[in-house]
Amino acid sequence: KNQVEQSPQSLIILEGKNCTLQCNYTVSPFSNLRWYKQDTGRGPVSLTIMTFSENTKSNGRYTATLDADTKQSSLHITASQLSDSASYICVVRPTSGTYKYIFGTGTRLKVLA
Amino acid sequence: AAGVIQSPRHLIKEKRETATLKCYPIPRHDTVYWYQQGPGQDPQFLISFYEKMQSDKGSIPDRFSAQQFSDYHSELNMSSLELGDSALYFCASSSTDTRETQYFGPGTRLLVL
Repeated sequence: KNQVEQSPQSLIILEGKNCTLQCNYTVSPFSNLRWYKQDTGRGPVSLTIMTFSENTKSNGRYTATLDADTKQSSLHITASQLSDSASYICVVRPTSGTYKYIFGTGTRLKVLA
Repeated sequence: AAGVIQSPRHLIKEKRETATLKCYPIPRHDTVYWYQQGPGQDPQFLISFYEKMQSDKGSIPDRFSAQQFSDYHSELNMSSLELGDSALYFCASSSTDTRETQYFGPGTRLLVL
C-alpha cells in the first residue's frame, strides 16, 4: 500500500472552475509535505511546501491545506486555466528512514475550454 | 533565472552499455538529487549529495554510481544497462536558503535497446 495516496486519479474540469485535489498519507512522523505540478515529460515544479505545523500555504491560484490529525492534505486550484492541465503530485518527507522523499500517486488534471 | 541543467536531454544505449548523465544545479545550490521515473510511474528517489558528499541514498541499483564535483555539478554513471533502465532521469537541486524546495531539471530521457 502506497504511503501517499491521492484522489481522484484523474479529473476533467472546465476553464474558470475551481477544483480540489486530495492527498492522504500514512507517513509519520514527517518533516514536510509538498505539492508539485508536473507537465508531461517535464520535471516537477514545486507549488507549495508545508511543515507539519502549518495548516495552509498559498501560491497564487494554488492553496494547499494540511490536517496533521487526519493525515490529509488538499490542493485547491482557483479559476482554473488551460495551462493548469498537468499531473499534481503530493510528496511527503519522513523524518527518518531510507526513502527520504515519498511521492504520491498523482492526480492528472485536464482543463477544457 | 537560471534553472537546473541536465545533459544530454535524450540518450539511446544498448543493453550492457554504460551511460553518464550530467546535472548542473542552480548557482549557489549545495544539494543535488537524482530521481528515476519510469513510464506512467511516480518518480523514485535514487541518491542525493550535499556539499559534495553523499547525503541520502534511495533505490539506486548497485550498477549505478554518482558523485558531486567541486563545482557542485553531479554525474550519474550507469553501467551494464538493462532494458528496465529506460526512464526519465530527473535531477533536482536545492539550497538551505530555500527551505529545501527542490527545483527540478528538464530530465534526461534514456532509452535502452
